[in-house]
Amino acid sequence: QVQLVQSGPVVKRPGSSVRVSCKTSGDTFSNSAINWLRQAPGQGLEWMGGIIPAFDTPNYAQRLQGRITITADRSTSTVYMDLSSLTSDDTAVYYCARAPHPSYCDYWGQGTLVAVSS
Amino acid sequence: DIVMTQSPLSLPVSPGEPASISCRSSQSLLHSSGHNYFNWYLQKPGQSPQLLIYLGSKRASGVPDRFSGSESGTDFTLKISRVEAEDVGVYYCMQTLQRPITFGQGTRLEIK
Repeated sequence: QVQLVQSGPVVKRPGSSVRVSCKTSGDTFSNSAINWLRQAPGQGLEWMGGIIPAFDTPNYAQRLQGRITITADRSTSTVYMDLSSLTSDDTAVYYCARAPHPSYCDYWGQGTLVAVSS
Repeated sequence: DIVMTQSPLSLPVSPGEPASISCRSSQSLLHSSGHNYFNWYLQKPGQSPQLLIYLGSKRASGVPDRFSGSESGTDFTLKISRVEAEDVGVYYCMQTLQRPITFGQGTRLEIK
């Protein structure tokens, strides 16, 4: 059974960094990519980047380049998303999603609320 | 970036009636495999998005057969043959042919 379980909600100060984790189960790490997406309050979905854990090859949305880092820990089947230099515009629910094929994401995590506030 | 344009943005439907949502991409989503790299998702209130249709017209596992997807060039349509109360939420189209992956604005379906 495939599950993606994310870390809990956090409040961060402007200018700080956040790490959100996504623990996977099943054989996700061996044959899938993991994408990170976010959704600002009342807004639509935005793709942030992804990684293929089996090859450790991340790719990022250009608008976040330099601020985002996605890593995978094969020993714990966990993927991490680090975002630095936070502003209020980064306040959103962050999702990880499994991509068993490059064309679609099937299973999603439950979402992690990151609130950036002074 | 590939721009995805959905319509309508709001869709009130009576139970048992059909519904249709359109999505147009700014360029072809046809992969060399012969499939469109295009998907439909439903985000129910307070939940994560769930996959309905992938590769343009393939119904995801567990999705009721009242949902169907069709493709014509850069135009894509999601049809619900008979809307039920549980279909309420925001429907998103998504392209995965090019990075960045991009989404439509979302269509909010509500029950009349």
